Amino acid sequence: QVQLVQSGAEVKKPGASVKVSCKASGYTFTSYGISWVRQAPGQGLEWMGWISAYNGNTNYAQKLQGRVTMTTDTSTSTAYMELRSLRSDDTAVYYCARTTYCGGDCYSWFDPWGQGTLVTVSS
Amino acid sequence: QSALTQPASVSGSPGQSITISCTGTSSDVGGYNYVSWYQQHPGKAPKLMIYEVSNRPSGVSNRFSGSKSGNTASLTISGLQAEDEADYYCSSYTSSSTNVFGTGTKVTVL
Repeated sequence: QVQLVQSGAEVKKPGASVKVSCKASGYTFTSYGISWVRQAPGQGLEWMGWISAYNGNTNYAQKLQGRVTMTTDTSTSTAYMELRSLRSDDTAVYYCARTTYCGGDCYSWFDPWGQGTLVTVSS
Repeated sequence: QSALTQPASVSGSPGQSITISCTGTSSDVGGYNYVSWYQQHPGKAPKLMIYEVSNRPSGVSNRFSGSKSGNTASLTISGLQAEDEADYYCSSYTSSSTNVFGTGTKVTVL
């Protein structure tokens, strides 16, 4: 079955970086994109960006431009999300989700989702 | 990109139907048929319930249906059941080739 398995919880200090992994299985990795979505405690879902697993093209949320980098390793069907210069308001559960390609630079719905990775930023 | 607007909460009795709205602009909801809906139970990852406005993935109950009119999309849950109590989020593709989520709606089964 299609499955995304994420790396474990992280605790980081302000100013540090974190890199979360997302290993895909059960489908052709390069036929879809991977999106990253985060959810701060008690808050809603926030779209962070997507990466095409086919050609590595990316599109990031404007508010994260310059701090986030999404990459893939097609040899291991794994996607990565690195967030730098961490702040306390980056504390959240980070999800990866397989994203369906809809033509051009269009990636639409998210299914399935990884189990989530809690990133805590605290001094 | 501002979040799509959803009501904070909607409630209904078992067996009733409820509708959750999701309002955006012509640059997102109104401009594309790439609206999707997600169900999230506490402590769990979101689950896709509707994609491309009104399509149901395999395995999702036919009690869930989606529609769109202008800049507003809607999710209807008919025959409300206790297990439907959860948070629901809409999402849309946008003219900037990004995606945006709704503010989220807490559904309570009375």
